[in-house]
Amino acid sequence: EAQVTQNPRYLITVTGKKLTVTCSQNMNHEYMSWYRQDPGLGLRQIYYSMNVEVTDKGDVPEGYKVSRKEKRNFPLILESPSPNQTSLYFCASSLSGYAGELFFGEGSRLTVL
Amino acid sequence: SQQGEEDPQALSIQEGENATMNCSYKTSINNLQWYRQNSGRGLVHLILIRSNEREKHSGRLRVTLDTSKKSSSLLITASRAADTASYFCATSGYNNAGNMLTFGGGTRLMVKP
Repeated sequence: EAQVTQNPRYLITVTGKKLTVTCSQNMNHEYMSWYRQDPGLGLRQIYYSMNVEVTDKGDVPEGYKVSRKEKRNFPLILESPSPNQTSLYFCASSLSGYAGELFFGEGSRLTVL
Repeated sequence: SQQGEEDPQALSIQEGENATMNCSYKTSINNLQWYRQNSGRGLVHLILIRSNEREKHSGRLRVTLDTSKKSSSLLITASRAADTASYFCATSGYNNAGNMLTFGGGTRLMVKP
């Protein structure tokens, strides 16, 4: 089954404790992206990747890092999480690059205390 | 930054009625997509309409695009309780932040049985 898998789905952590949210897709998509969703602000793009070893900033990259060492994986790293990073995070991938249909993961709800 | 803005923000209708949601955007686009999100879940792609298309159908969905007015509408005919969800438009095109696909704030649709 074609899917985008995120882990963990739920996480409560404390300020400053490094964490990684993994994202994996099994559709051989070149384009992958991370979004955060906050009430009243919609979905905002954090980082995206056009292909392996190619990443670029989205609208709200501050406080986040990403890497794309393999085509299927695109982890999101919070080196020193802060409470304003409490949010619902979505990973997405696309076969047709930035303009194509996005396939979304189920989301990772992160709370930073 | 949010390129698309949906209207209304919330819509409540009875089962069997039609639901119309609108999306306005500011700059030139390559295409416009509509997505659906059940509460707290990942977004699911519904339909993509290219900038040179005016209307597109998919089952009970009808999407129109008016590039002169920079607006699109999503019509769901003969709505069902299972259509209850949030609906987002997303525009594809270059913006100042460099990201390629930006989402609006969404319309929350409630279909009462």
